[in-house]
Amino acid sequence: AQSVSQHNHHVILSEAASLELGCNYSYGGTVNLFWYVQYPGQHLQLLLKYFSGDPLVKGIKGFEAEFIKSKFSFNLRKPSVQWSDTAEYFCAVSPNQAGTALIFGKGTTLSVSS
Amino acid sequence: IAGITQAPTSQILAAGRRMTLRCTQDMRHNAMYWYRQDLGLGLRLIHYSNTAGTTGKGEVPDGYSVSRANTDDFPLTLASAVPSQTSVYFCASSEEGIGGTQYFGPGTRLTVL
Repeated sequence: AQSVSQHNHHVILSEAASLELGCNYSYGGTVNLFWYVQYPGQHLQLLLKYFSGDPLVKGIKGFEAEFIKSKFSFNLRKPSVQWSDTAEYFCAVSPNQAGTALIFGKGTTLSVSS
Repeated sequence: IAGITQAPTSQILAAGRRMTLRCTQDMRHNAMYWYRQDLGLGLRLIHYSNTAGTTGKGEVPDGYSVSRANTDDFPLTLASAVPSQTSVYFCASSEEGIGGTQYFGPGTRLTVL
């Protein structure tokens, strides 16, 4: 079965530290890749997505992610986190075929201290 | 403002009762979805709909049913609620169809006692 693994359940950082959240998926075909963010008490919002082209994609609020096909990975990065980045982050994968929906990872909680 | 609305915002429900969670979108997206979010489990797909008139089962469909009579509305019904259905429920829609970017509603927090 297709699955998405997020390696870090809870990450704690100080402001200005660099962030990298891991995401790996298990599907051999073409995929669409997403990172969503859920701020406390809010609904999920799209951070960035990859459908095709440049494997390094830039999203909102200074986030970026790199698709490495050989590693089945789509890690999220930010060079310098802020307190306002405290949230839960979800990686999601969609096999690029009709009749399928997003498969979400279990999420990573990021806590940033000021 | 275009988007997805869900109702109710929260609900406490006695076990065995029937409950319908409402979801409406005004973006004219063809595809819609229902997820439940549980601590440590992320989001799990309950049901989805490619387009009005069609529905499909997701990862955790048991105990839930959906209908898609038109493009805008995608209600989720719990025929006889059980405590394990206590969760936060999110409705979403997709502009590129199944597999595309999904936009989420604000969620419904449901507690079944």
